[in-house]
Amino acid sequence: EAGVAQSPRYKIIEKRQSVAFWCNPISGHATLYWYQQILGQGPKLLIQFQNNGVVDDSQLPKDRFSAERLKGVDSTLKIQPAKLEDSAVYLCASGTGTGNEKLFFGSGTQLSVL
Amino acid sequence: SQKIEQNSEALNIQEGKTATLTCNYTNYSPAYLQWYRQDPGRGPVFLLLIRENEKEKRKERLKVTFDTTLKQSLFHITASQPADSATYLCALRRGSSNTGKLIFGQGTTLQVKP
Repeated sequence: EAGVAQSPRYKIIEKRQSVAFWCNPISGHATLYWYQQILGQGPKLLIQFQNNGVVDDSQLPKDRFSAERLKGVDSTLKIQPAKLEDSAVYLCASGTGTGNEKLFFGSGTQLSVL
Repeated sequence: SQKIEQNSEALNIQEGKTATLTCNYTNYSPAYLQWYRQDPGRGPVFLLLIRENEKEKRKERLKVTFDTTLKQSLFHITASQPADSATYLCALRRGSSNTGKLIFGQGTTLQVKP
């Protein structure tokens, strides 16, 4: 089966600019997650969707970050305006939505904010 | 809030030996704990899941133990190979449903030398 697709693979922007990331989860997966992974650290959950509803966004910096999941399938994560500390890899993952689900991750988008 | 601690220092072992990685958590006991492998430039890949009522789980050369009294999980790779070199992440979720956050540790880097 096709895996989780993310684009772009790399993005370099200047601080205060805006950027958007796209994710296409595995077909039929109900849950979708966006994680931020700073170099040398583990993934940190930003937002979790169940179908097209938000389950948890408690760690999403809502003054600059926004995310949506269109029709319960694809998702976009936006940062506006970007700060230097947003430099990280942004990982998208999807799961079946059943109990004890395992996550399938995309390869991520590496963001550098200069 | 829940904290997960993994050895931050890299683990270097000789090919053929058993690698043992540690995951300690504070606060509540999770319903289950997962282990993932992450290669440079790639997203994490699911390896094993162990539930709170299970003491041990095996899959080929991999073994995971779960001690809710010690609040610790151990991840073992027997007969290690250079191809096992990667960063290994543990992750846990509070409840068995998918409404709780899946939290990751910072990962331990394993280097297997030929």
